[in-house]
Amino acid sequence: EERLVESGGGLVQPGGSLRLSCAASGFSISRHWMTWVRQAPGKGLEWVANIKEDGTDKYYVDSVRGRFTISKNNGRGSLYLQMSGLRGDDTAIYYCAREAAREAYQPYYYMDVWGKGTTVTVSS
Amino acid sequence: EFVLTQSPGTLSLSPGERATLSCRASQTVSSNYLAWYQHKPGQAPRVLIYGASTRATGIPDRFSGSGSGTDFTLSISRLEPEDFALYFCQQYGSSLTFGGGTKVEIK
Repeated sequence: EERLVESGGGLVQPGGSLRLSCAASGFSISRHWMTWVRQAPGKGLEWVANIKEDGTDKYYVDSVRGRFTISKNNGRGSLYLQMSGLRGDDTAIYYCAREAAREAYQPYYYMDVWGKGTTVTVSS
Repeated sequence: EFVLTQSPGTLSLSPGERATLSCRASQTVSSNYLAWYQHKPGQAPRVLIYGASTRATGIPDRFSGSGSGTDFTLSISRLEPEDFALYFCQQYGSSLTFGGGTKVEIK
């Protein structure tokens, strides 16, 4: 079974840092772009960042660029999101997702496997 | 800014009825790169449709997607008890944007 499990969420003070992890099983993340998506309380989903199969290309939503860093360790089958300079509006459930395979270079795609999410709360 | 507007916000229907969900884009969705997902509380979202009309692997044929350009529709021909959930659309032709979602609830 192809599965993604997020961890690392929690309560952090404004301005603080947190590192989210996502462990993949049942498939190799080296063959897929991977993505982080978040959902703030009472809001819709927001794409946060994604990373190419080999980790060479990364894309971010404007609101997190310069504060968040996405990375992956293909050997460990893990995806990460290093978050710093956290703000109240970063409070959300963070989902890790696998992007479907595509034939040509395309930085944005649909997600065919998702995790259940990990909750990040930014509050003093 | 690319905006996806889903309507209605909530759809109250009975099992066996047909559900029609709308997703309207603020600009043309490139190559009809539009997906639909189902999300139940505490569970991982599940892709239903991609490319506006292609069913994902394992998705029952009561789910169908249609539309092009700026107007897209997800139809569920006969609602099963397990279909009551939140549904959201996503475009991936120009960056990546999600709609606000439609909740399908039991009437």
